[in-house]
Amino acid sequence: GQNIDQPTEMTATEGAIVQINCTYQTSGFNGLFWYQQHAGEAPTFLSYNVLDGLEEKGRFSSFLSRSKGYSYLLLKELQMKDSASYLCAVRDSNYQLIWGAGTKLIIKP
Amino acid sequence: ETGVTQTPRHLVMGMTNKKSLKCEQHLGHNAMYWYKQSAKKPLELMFVYNFKEQTENNSVPSRFSPECPNSSHLFLHLHTLQPEDSALYLCASSQRGDTGELFFGEGSRLTVL
Repeated sequence: GQNIDQPTEMTATEGAIVQINCTYQTSGFNGLFWYQQHAGEAPTFLSYNVLDGLEEKGRFSSFLSRSKGYSYLLLKELQMKDSASYLCAVRDSNYQLIWGAGTKLIIKP
Repeated sequence: ETGVTQTPRHLVMGMTNKKSLKCEQHLGHNAMYWYKQSAKKPLELMFVYNFKEQTENNSVPSRFSPECPNSSHLFLHLHTLQPEDSALYLCASSQRGDTGELFFGEGSRLTVL
């Protein structure tokens, strides 16, 4: 079966750095997506990786290793507004999105 | 504001009721989706419409009936639901049906009594 694993919940301190991991086992691979979802709001697109390596976008970076079936989302200089759920999704060989259950990130002052 | 609007935002219904969820996208996209989101579970894809044609139906019970009259509007008709159908129903759109970047609405929170 296809599976995406990510931690259920993480806690970090304002101003610090946090890394949210995602491992996947899918039927083929056509890219990995990260979405952010604030409580009661729509998920919004954060990043897309299809090649190995690091993609940086401001305070957020996303890393991919296809050989290891592994990605992480790195958030720097954490702000209170970063408190949200972070969803990892992989597009498989049929171009279907397989979703993880999401990681709830709690930022403390 | 994501460009995808869902109504109603909250809905409470009995198991014998019939109701509909509405989704409208203002992005000029050609694909629209219904997802079910339950607490601590992955998003479940329910239906996909690509250029108004249904291209995906992920073994969804017949008590859920989608309708896509044009590429900007999507409905989910609900009847004789079960309490386990209580969840957040998310609508999304994308430029093409190969599930690139998705734009989600804020969802309709459904409670079935």
